Amino acid sequence: DIQMTQSPSSMSASLGDRVTITCQASQDIGNNLIWFQQKPGKSPRPMIYYATNLANGVPSRFSGSRSGSDYSLTISSLESEDMADYHCLQYKQYLTFGSGTKLEIK
Amino acid sequence: QIQLVQSGPELKKPGESLKISCKASGYTFTDYAMQWVKQAPGKGLQYMGWINTQTGKPTYADDFKERFVFSLETSASTAYLQINNLKNEDTATYFCARGTVVAYWGQGVMVTVSS
Repeated sequence: DIQMTQSPSSMSASLGDRVTITCQASQDIGNNLIWFQQKPGKSPRPMIYYATNLANGVPSRFSGSRSGSDYSLTISSLESEDMADYHCLQYKQYLTFGSGTKLEIK
Repeated sequence: QIQLVQSGPELKKPGESLKISCKASGYTFTDYAMQWVKQAPGKGLQYMGWINTQTGKPTYADDFKERFVFSLETSASTAYLQINNLKNEDTATYFCARGTVVAYWGQGVMVTVSS
């Protein structure tokens, strides 16, 4: 089974900061990775598809990247509306979610 | 527009059963698999498995091979999740989501199991 190790589990950052969240895959998943944003009481919202492609309607301050088995979600300049939980998901082999990152605003 | 509309919240006692529905609209139901995802209170997302909407064949993740049943009513474009012999640890929100690239999600069903 493919495991996804997500870090950090939580973080606090200031408005305007650059924020990066990372997932590491235990096996090769290619670019078969999605990043989700989830706000309290809501369904997950896809933000990044195929590791690097911005989903429709997602602000351009969000970006995804890959370096080997490490996948990153970056917010270039944090805004208050970005306070949420973030999850990665691999879909190369069945589905596996990362453990999630809680992003809070300082 | 594409929508997945799930049934309402449930309050059950340990040992009881429940069946959650996920009604799809805005696309051809049998063109995409249906995935099921569990989220316990304050926890992350946990993959439960999927059902092939063309054949009705379910595939369960390891933690969900007992007590959990995925089914379909294709004529109604609806997928179901049944949980038998409910336990306290089944307290969670359950989501359905469309396809491999889970672009569309239901709103979730909050299930509370308590004596």
